Amino acid sequence: DQQVKQNSPSLSVQEGRISILNCDYTNSMFDYFLWYKKYPAEGPTFLISISSIKDKNEDGRFTVFLNKSAKHLSLHIVPSQPGDSAVYFCAARGNSGGSNYKLTFGKGTLLTVNP
Amino acid sequence: ETGVTQSPTHLIKTRGQQVTLRCSSQSGHNTVSWYQQALGQGPQFIFQYYREEENGRGNFPPRFSGLQFPNYSSELNVNALELDDSALYLCASSLGIDSYNEQFFGPGTRLTVL
Repeated sequence: DQQVKQNSPSLSVQEGRISILNCDYTNSMFDYFLWYKKYPAEGPTFLISISSIKDKNEDGRFTVFLNKSAKHLSLHIVPSQPGDSAVYFCAARGNSGGSNYKLTFGKGTLLTVNP
Repeated sequence: ETGVTQSPTHLIKTRGQQVTLRCSSQSGHNTVSWYQQALGQGPQFIFQYYREEENGRGNFPPRFSGLQFPNYSSELNVNALELDDSALYLCASSLGIDSYNEQFFGPGTRLTVL
């Protein structure tokens, strides 16, 4: 039972264009969503997050949009750069203590930005 | 300020053996979480330790156990290894149990069970 889904295993875009990575979730109890970036042979690195009470959060070239009614979020990268090429994980957190503080990750999307 | 380190980098074991993986958290961080990332999957939460106590556990059997030491470093122990335990094991440290924005991951330990 996958509660966080990233249905696109890979995405290829041209340098300078917009990259849009999508994520769907099924658990309405999730209250916080995060995006992580992972390069080969490195651990995931936190990128940007959004609370469930918001619908948009922006940080430089990165913007995350949340549509609660559709249980969908997306990460926009504008403009895309070759250094953005990595695996991007969507993650979600429950809203109570104990094991619900765990993060539930999607399978990831491999983004390739071509020069 | 040193980041999160994990040892060993790679490990090969045979089915039925036991393994211990180690994690040194970032300086000042008192919380460590462990994740298993199987090939082609996202990281899956194993458990979290906060100030030497287990604080939440994912859907993993009891043969997965852990420890956190007074210096906040941590160990993950897996007994009776199975082929499906082959994965990348990640640890992440943070200051406090609710600091996901500041959760720093180590590079992981690649475990292969033959």
